[in-house]
Amino acid sequence: NAGVTQTPKFQVLKTGQSMTLQCAQDMNHEYMSWYRQDPGMGLRLIHYSVGAGITDQGEVPNGYNVSRSTTEDFPLRLLSAAPSQTSVYFCASSEQGYYTEAFFGQGTRLTVV
Amino acid sequence: ILNVEQSPQSLHVQEGDSTNFTCSFPSSNFYALHWYRWETAKSPEALFVMTLNGDEKKKGRISATLNTKEGYSYLYIKGSQPEDSATYLCASVFSARQLTFGSGTQLTVLP
Repeated sequence: NAGVTQTPKFQVLKTGQSMTLQCAQDMNHEYMSWYRQDPGMGLRLIHYSVGAGITDQGEVPNGYNVSRSTTEDFPLRLLSAAPSQTSVYFCASSEQGYYTEAFFGQGTRLTVV
Repeated sequence: ILNVEQSPQSLHVQEGDSTNFTCSFPSSNFYALHWYRWETAKSPEALFVMTLNGDEKKKGRISATLNTKEGYSYLYIKGSQPEDSATYLCASVFSARQLTFGSGTQLTVLP
């Protein structure tokens, strides 16, 4: 059982480039979310989804887009990378919203130069 | 933005010591409180999810309590071991869909 799989693990981008961080889960969870982790701060919610076709913004959505065409996949798109988006990104899923535990992917360390 | 505060930010204990740390959160619009253990170079793993005032959960040497009326949760580790070294995150649920995380308590257990 793979759980939550994120790719890539590491990425370096130039300012202005775009890219997609992939997230897939095989637990048939309805709820998926993306967080960023910055030094000295807690995980901050970027976007989340409560099911296929439904997404919403979290605390720090600017500069990011998401879509949820299937239950399994929840990609995060950086439209035009900026140095402020240098961070570690985590994807998570949970079975029944946040009354149940979240399962996290391995993280993607992104550097924007 | 609703704040979740964790204290202390970091602590060092000797192997065999018992320790505890605190998670504080606004008591209004409370839905649930999560605790996660996050080891270096790994992803966070769930310890407990608690929803009711007075909830107590236990997993091995680790336990947690919840007071929703005053807005705090304690995490206890009995007889700390070096393998307990990690960052412990708490997160509160203020709406039905979003976790708000604290910045964590970094625990180092010295052999």
